[in-house]
Amino acid sequence: EIVLTQSPGTLSLSPGERATLSCRASQRVSSTYLAWYQQKPGQAPRLLIHGASSRATGIPDRFSGSGSATDFTLTISKLEPEDFAVYYCQHYDSSPITFGQGTRLEIK
Amino acid sequence: QVQLVQSGAEVKKPGSSVKVSCKASGGTFSTYAITWVRQAPGQGLVWLGGIIPIFGTATYAQKFQGRVTITADESTSTVYMDLSSLTPEDTAVYYCARDQSDYTYGYMTYWGQGTLVTVSS
Repeated sequence: EIVLTQSPGTLSLSPGERATLSCRASQRVSSTYLAWYQQKPGQAPRLLIHGASSRATGIPDRFSGSGSATDFTLTISKLEPEDFAVYYCQHYDSSPITFGQGTRLEIK
Repeated sequence: QVQLVQSGAEVKKPGSSVKVSCKASGGTFSTYAITWVRQAPGQGLVWLGGIIPIFGTATYAQKFQGRVTITADESTSTVYMDLSSLTPEDTAVYYCARDQSDYTYGYMTYWGQGTLVTVSS
């Protein structure tokens, strides 16, 4: 099973700042089968990025994904108040599908 | 527009079973994977397994193999997740989700509203 480790666990930033979230895989994720989700309290996760770098429909362009193999990054270029939430990475390279443990993005 | 509507909250005793439903509307049903993901209170997301209805056979995470059964009813566009031998550690919100691409388990574009299952004596 591919284990995804996200860092940092918590990121404290101010609106307008840039956020960089990391997701490291225990083995190579082929064909960039890596997605990112945002989750707010009491809500279902929302797909942000698939294929490591493709934004889902309706996702603002301040969200971008990059990386390959074992190292992936989600970048939020200029934080808006609504961006403070928990972010999860997920691989879909093989079974079982697994998620990272999440990064909490909180207002500083 | 694809919508997934799940059944309501459940309270169960340890050792019992729970069956949660997920009714899909909008778009094609049979060729898209419906996946089940759970989230214990304050915890992260865990994949239980899924089914592509046209194939009929479900795939499961090894951790839940033997305890979870996922089935699909194409006549009502509904997928069911049955979890047996419940313990308090199974207390969680259970989500169904659907892929964007057909015939594959991939990233989850559409999500149900979640069903809280509470296991308590």
